[in-house]
Formats: sequence, C-alpha cells, structure tokens
Amino acid sequence: AQKVTQAQTEISVVEKEDVTLDCVYETRDTTYYLFWYKQPPSGELVFLIRRNSFDEQNEISGRYSWNFQKSTSSFNFTITASQVVDSAVYFCALSEATAGGSYIPTFGRGTSLIVHP
Amino acid sequence: DTGVSQDPRHKITKRGQNVTFRCDPISEHNRLYWYRQTLGQGPEFLTYFQNEAQLEKSRLLSDRFSAERPKGSFSTLEIQRTEQGDSAMYLCASSPSTSLGETQYFGPGTRLLVL
Repeated sequence: AQKVTQAQTEISVVEKEDVTLDCVYETRDTTYYLFWYKQPPSGELVFLIRRNSFDEQNEISGRYSWNFQKSTSSFNFTITASQVVDSAVYFCALSEATAGGSYIPTFGRGTSLIVHP
Repeated sequence: DTGVSQDPRHKITKRGQNVTFRCDPISEHNRLYWYRQTLGQGPEFLTYFQNEAQLEKSRLLSDRFSAERPKGSFSTLEIQRTEQGDSAMYLCASSPSTSLGETQYFGPGTRLLVL
C-alpha cells in the first residue's frame, strides 16, 4: 500500500484560479513529519513546507496554504490565484522512523500542475 | 551559491560501463542522502550518511551500486556494469542533524541515460 497517495496525477487550471492538491498519508507512528516540495521543469526539488505530527495548525505563506488534518490523514496544499510560474510537479512526502531509527521521507508520485495563461 | 551541487548534470553511457556521480552538500549539513527518480515517480530513497557513516541502505541499492562519503563532506555514488534500467535522475540531498525529520535540501540532480 502507498504510504503517500497523491490521487491527482495532473491538474490543469487557468491563471487566477484557486487549486488544491491532495495528499493522503498512512502511518502508525505518532511522531512523523510531512513535507511538500515543488519540482519545476528544471528538475530541482524546491522545499515548500515541513510540518510535524503534533502541530495541526494550518499555515499560510503568501498565495500558498496548507491544511493538515490528522483525523483524515491528509495534508492538502492550496494555491490561491494561480500563476503560470506555479506550473510544476508537486510532491508530498512523509518522514517516519525506520527500523534503524532514521527518518527517511517517502514521496508520493506527484501531481503535475499546469497553469494556462 | 551555497546550495547542494551535483556533478555531472547529465551522463550518457553504454550498457556495461561504470559511472560515478558526485554530490557536495550544504557545508554545515552532516546528513547526506541519495535518491533515484524515474519518469512519473517521486524520488526513491537509496542511501543515507551521517558524517562519513553510511547508516541506511534501501533494497533498491543493488550490489552494483556503492556510495561513499570518505571525509564526511562530499559523497560519490558509483554504478558498476550499468544496465538500461539504471536510466534515471539521481538526486542528492542534505540536511542538518539538529533534530529528527529535518528538512532535506536537494541538488539539481544527475540525469543518467544508459544506451
């Protein structure tokens, strides 16, 4: 079973539309970390946000906002008033302890966001 | 530029050849990670170093793969006897070890094509 599920393979919107990227995760740990990364066409993964499992407070950063709900094991990402520069693949990741005690993130398959002018 | 750097950015090789990639982490980061990413997939963990110690290895890391971080600074990933299935983007990331689950910062990757 997928530990991180990003059910939306591709989303296409027109500039200025709001868009929400879904992320559902699976873990039995009480301590874990969630991340979102952006991968533009250039290929480099750009860090967007990190949340720990004890902090369910939603966060807003400019046009970006994140909704963390432990009850539904979801960590969704919303872009308000999307722009062409937002076009990229977005990855959600879950970091939990391995058998060796390290925290190694497992990434979802990503959601490709295409913003049309 | 003080980010993670990787060299080369692109590599084309023939099946059966050996290749080596280099990663230079952010200077104050003592954790270093290697990932592989194939088309349409997220990064998949390969191995992880804390300073010069290799602490975790994925089952994806076959015997043909070896990674080193001899002085706890830069790291190399070598693939011996390359196969076409090795074609992928190889990503390096680093993080500080101030706490668990620290954010990893990624380099631009090395894109490998095995003919």
